[in-house]
Parts: sequence; structure tokens; C-alpha cells
Amino acid sequence: DAKTTQPNSMESNEEEPVHLPCNHSTISGTDYIHWYRQLPSQGPEYVIHGLTSNVNNRMASLAIAEDRKSSTLILHRATLRDAAVYYCMGYNNNDMRFGAGTRLTVKP
Amino acid sequence: GAVVSQHPSWVICKSGTSVKIECRSLDFQATTMFWYRQFPKQSLMLMATSNEGSKATYEQGVEKDKFLINHASLTLSTLTVTSAHPEDSSFYICSARRGENSNQPQHFGDGTRLSIL
Repeated sequence: DAKTTQPNSMESNEEEPVHLPCNHSTISGTDYIHWYRQLPSQGPEYVIHGLTSNVNNRMASLAIAEDRKSSTLILHRATLRDAAVYYCMGYNNNDMRFGAGTRLTVKP
Repeated sequence: GAVVSQHPSWVICKSGTSVKIECRSLDFQATTMFWYRQFPKQSLMLMATSNEGSKATYEQGVEKDKFLINHASLTLSTLTVTSAHPEDSSFYICSARRGENSNQPQHFGDGTRLSIL
């Protein structure tokens, strides 16, 4: 079974970088690592995904460990709108699970 | 791009009623669609995965006859909660994905809050 482990919560100050870690030791060799975030009473929003090398988009950066068993989502400058629950998802062949997620609080 | 519309957003109905929830990919073709259930302050629980034109694959513990899934086209999947009871009250969320592999992200609807009286 696919399994991910994330800290329950993290805090950040506005305008500061945030590093959200995730362990996904069961990920298969050819499956991508995905990150999503969810605001209250809304569906999740896609953030970023990657396979081996680091990935960047307008929302965030994704740093993937060389052994692919962990990754870190990087928000370069947190804003109040980034406060949400962040989920990483590691597939294991056709099996995929959302982890418990990390609740990010951003303080002004 | 990659917009997923889920309808209705809120349903309140009496016990014993069947409820249908629609999930549409508005600007892309979704080979694979997923249905999730979420309880307050908990993570998303995958209920089933469906590929267009095929029968849905249900997760262990999810009753196929209770939660009917139809993925008749590349832009529409429906979830029908049959003979709903109060314990079926939850937040139901769909997602859609181009392709069948993890190299494509999932795009989510805004969810349907189902309350059974």
C-alpha cells in the first residue's frame, strides 16, 4: 500500500519561506510524487508534482530526495492565502493514498 | 485550464432518498476519475477509481451497490448514493485526470456536502 507521513501542523511567518516535508518510502520507482492543498469546505487544489529532479512552478518548488523516499514542498514567500492543509501523495503502482496532511498556519 | 465542476455543492434530503452527484471536466478529457469521501478534520478517503467506459474499481470496504459510479464519457462521471442514511452524510469530492498514470495530476471539484436527515 502507498503510505505517506507528514507533520500534523507547521507555522510560518508571512513573507518567510516554508519547507513542508513528506516521507513516502513505499513509492514505486516510476510513480510521481504529488502535492495538493485544501482550504476549508473546498476540494483540494493541485500544487506541484515531480518524478526525480527538483521541480518549480509559479506556486512552489518541489525538492525530491535522491532515493525518492522523501520530498519537501517549498513555498518561497508564504502569504496569508497559503494557509491550508497540504497533502503529499505517493503512488505505489496503481495504489495511491492521501496522507493525513500538514496544516500550515501563516502568521501576519 | 483543467477545471472540474461538481454539482450539486450541497444536498439535504430525507433518509431513504437516492442522491446523484455529477462531476464534469470542463476543458479537458478525463481518462480517469476518482471519488473521495471526507469527514470533518480528516483526510480524503478514496472510494473508487473509474476509467471511461469501464466499471469502477472500488476500495476495500466501499459498498458497490450503495455507491454507484458511472463514467460514461471522457468528461462526465456520476456518483449515486442509493437509499442514503444519516451515516452517509459526508463531504464527497471528485477529481479528474488526463491519462491513467501518475505523471498527470488530479484536478478536483469543489465537493458536495451531503446531509441526510
